[in-house]
Amino acid sequence: DAMVIQNPRYQVTQFGKPVTLSCSQTLNHNVMYWYQQKSSQAPKLLFHYYDKDFNNEADTPDNFQSRRPNTSFCFLDIRSPGLGDAAMYLCATSRGSAGGLRNEQFFGPGTRLTVL
Amino acid sequence: AQKVTQAQTEISVVEKEDVTLDCVYETRDTTYYLFWYKQPPSGELVFLIRRNSFDEQNEISGRYSWNFQKSTSSFNFTITASQVVDSAVYFCALSEGSGGSYIPTFGRGTSLIVHP
Repeated sequence: DAMVIQNPRYQVTQFGKPVTLSCSQTLNHNVMYWYQQKSSQAPKLLFHYYDKDFNNEADTPDNFQSRRPNTSFCFLDIRSPGLGDAAMYLCATSRGSAGGLRNEQFFGPGTRLTVL
Repeated sequence: AQKVTQAQTEISVVEKEDVTLDCVYETRDTTYYLFWYKQPPSGELVFLIRRNSFDEQNEISGRYSWNFQKSTSSFNFTITASQVVDSAVYFCALSEGSGGSYIPTFGRGTSLIVHP
């Protein structure tokens, strides 16, 4: 089945120790998103790629970076995790359309990040 | 600017009761798309429905139904004969069409608890 895969599902890191979360998709969607979701809150968009074009949300901290080496893979790098970065990180994809059609997003299962 | 309001933070019902989750949106765009997603305790958001602004026809899918009312800017979701497996957080989202950001704006979510 076509899907969005995130690894690892659970990640524990130490304060200040860099961490990378990965996302892969078999849907061949051209748009990929990274969201941060804290308890009892809506997902908060960090950034997204439309094809190779990177789009950063204005309030995404510089501590968060992303890479998309090809259509299928996208990585979230947290350079110096703080205690406030502990959250669920969700990867999503969608089929972008230049014609104005807005398609639904497909989400991965998420990576729960714990910062000690 | 687009905005989605889900005024109900948490709803608690007993199995077999009907329940309606409210969603009110704001947009200046005449073309837009509305979505509902379900997030069960496992964490993965699951797409339920997409509706575009030109299609006000209500939709029914099994026990789920959606009522789109442009006059009141609402897109409400009703679960008939609720079941324990319906327990989840439900998010309403809005994407503006041509001329607007295609990035969806999520409401804060409504947590539905269905008791046996």
